[in-house]
Amino acid sequence: AQSVTQLGSHVSVSEGALVLLRCNYSSSVPPYLFWYVQYPNQGLQLLLKYTSAATLVKGINGFEAEFKKSETSFHLTKPSAHMSDAAEYFCAFSDDKIIFGKGTRLHILP
Amino acid sequence: NAGVTQTPKFQVLKTGQSMTLQCAQDMNHNSMYWYRQDPGMGLRLIYYSASEGTTDKGEVPNGYNVSRLNKREFSLRLESAAPSQTSVYFCASSESRRSYVSYEQYFGPGTRLTVT
Repeated sequence: AQSVTQLGSHVSVSEGALVLLRCNYSSSVPPYLFWYVQYPNQGLQLLLKYTSAATLVKGINGFEAEFKKSETSFHLTKPSAHMSDAAEYFCAFSDDKIIFGKGTRLHILP
Repeated sequence: NAGVTQTPKFQVLKTGQSMTLQCAQDMNHNSMYWYRQDPGMGLRLIYYSASEGTTDKGEVPNGYNVSRLNKREFSLRLESAAPSQTSVYFCASSESRRSYVSYEQYFGPGTRLTVT
């Protein structure tokens, strides 16, 4: 069965440090993968998506993600965290239907 | 463009009461969705409508009904609310919903529902 696993329900990083949010998927077919961000009291908005055109995908706000088929991973990174990055991040997988991970809340320490 | 709009933003119901959550999109999308979000559970799909005139159950449909009123509007009804339905409800839309299609979803701001 298809699934999406996000490692760590909470991640804390210092302002200016590297952000790494992990996402692994399970699928027998080539997936489409997404990262969404949810700021407090708002809906989700798309950060970036992978659609097989390139394994390294750049998104908004300086985020990027790399698709690694051998590791079935699609980790989200940002070189330097900013206080405004504090939010909840969801990895999502899509073939016939879209499946969301349980989310990782990112805390930025001053 | 307003994108995806939802009403109401907040609602408190007593057990057994009914209500309808409204959703509308102005992006001419074919597909619309209703999710619920609970702490630690991520988003769970309640119902979806792949196109106007069709609706299908998602992961957690029990206790809910939906109506795709037209291409723009997709409503979610709770016939007899229960405390377990206390949640944040999100409506979303996308261009299409077919196998192996990568269309991203656009979300509304959510409705916070409390059932006492």
